[in-house]
Amino acid sequence: DSGVTQTPKHLITATGQRVTLRCSPRSGDLSVYWYQQSLDQGLQFLIQYYNGEERAKGNILERFSAQQFPDLHSELNLSSLELGDSALYFCASSGRGTSDEQFFGPGTRLTVL
Amino acid sequence: GESVGLHLPTLSVQEGDNSIINCAYSNSASDYFIWYKQESGKGPQFIIDIRSNMDKRQGQRVTVLLNKTVKHLSLQIAATQPGDSAVYFCAERVGGTSYGKLTFGQGTILTVHP
Repeated sequence: DSGVTQTPKHLITATGQRVTLRCSPRSGDLSVYWYQQSLDQGLQFLIQYYNGEERAKGNILERFSAQQFPDLHSELNLSSLELGDSALYFCASSGRGTSDEQFFGPGTRLTVL
Repeated sequence: GESVGLHLPTLSVQEGDNSIINCAYSNSASDYFIWYKQESGKGPQFIIDIRSNMDKRQGQRVTVLLNKTVKHLSLQIAATQPGDSAVYFCAERVGGTSYGKLTFGQGTILTVHP
């Protein structure tokens, strides 16, 4: 158990819909990262937050957004969903002041029908 | 166009053998490298890391070797066990403004036969 929690574990929805994925980092970690893992693209970095502020951005679609709240949990919002958004979405967290060793959560499996 | 799944390299070994998993990284500016293990249905799990000022680092049953000249990383697992069966990913990080962002390789499937 990495100490990172993600909800829900599974999510099935329809095209055009909007969903919110939730992540609670390890106690004391200030950085939260979101990754997407799909069969054809592998594991791709989406976005990083550090203590509530956006720190780095990857290949995140404009239809996707994220935020980190004062209690350090984070949410990833996916809107206008398409079939190709079906994937595993992982959250990771890392320690205070550094970005070394990211601890991954169990992931949310999103299926868009 | 039609998308196809990634065809991951595979490595099959017998229990007790040593395993070597290779990774070519892309950015000569990368300063930090990590190996992760991912079992089916789980998130990636940290195995070992190495900074660019080192060329070798050892952990428990694992060794990572870094060759910056040819941008190559390898993971050696000693006395491989069935529980080591998983997908193994290397990841690299570039410092500076992208500090924290990890770029992952495609992964290698390791199968250990009892």
